[in-house]
Amino acid sequence: AQSVTQLGSHVSVSEGALVLLRCNYSSSVPPYLFWYVQYPNQGLQLLLKYTSAATLVKGINGFEAEFKKSETSFHLTKPSAHMSDAAEYFCAVSDRQGAQKLVFGQGTRLTINP
Amino acid sequence: EPEVTQTPSHQVTQMGQEVILRCVPISNHLYFYWYRQILGQKVEFLVSFYNNEISEKSEIFDDQFSVERPDGSNFTLKIRSTKLEDSAMYFCASNRAGATDTQYFGPGTRLTVL
Repeated sequence: AQSVTQLGSHVSVSEGALVLLRCNYSSSVPPYLFWYVQYPNQGLQLLLKYTSAATLVKGINGFEAEFKKSETSFHLTKPSAHMSDAAEYFCAVSDRQGAQKLVFGQGTRLTINP
Repeated sequence: EPEVTQTPSHQVTQMGQEVILRCVPISNHLYFYWYRQILGQKVEFLVSFYNNEISEKSEIFDDQFSVERPDGSNFTLKIRSTKLEDSAMYFCASNRAGATDTQYFGPGTRLTVL
């Protein structure tokens, strides 16, 4: 069965600092990987996804993530945090067959300090 | 830009009552999903639906749950006899086809069972 582990339920960075949100996955087949963001009182919005093309994936709002098979990781980064980045971030994995359900990690709440 | 909509945004019900949560997926999408998020926990897959039948369901999706696409636009989740532990945010999602295709999420319905 697939699973996702997000290290750190809460990450706090200063405005302008590097953002690093960690995600490790477990999958018996090559996975598809996603990062979603959830702003308060809103639904989940896709930031970026990895579907076996380039291992470095660029997404919206300046975020990017690198797929590292040897480390089974898909960490999310942004060089310079902005106040508007404060939100909950979810890493998710999907298999390549069946109905492609998403299996989510527990989420990381990102706080930006002025 | 097309989006997934959900109604109501908040539903309060008494334990043992039936509730129907409604979703309007994006119009040209073929796969439909329900997820839920209990407060403070991860987003969990409930069920996927394609070609007018359930394609996959989780252990959570027991006989108390059912889904239906009653017409060409709506996708509903029914809970026959609600329990306190059904209190959660319920998200509907849809995509066109394929594991690489982004699932678009609605804003969610917050269900409170008293």
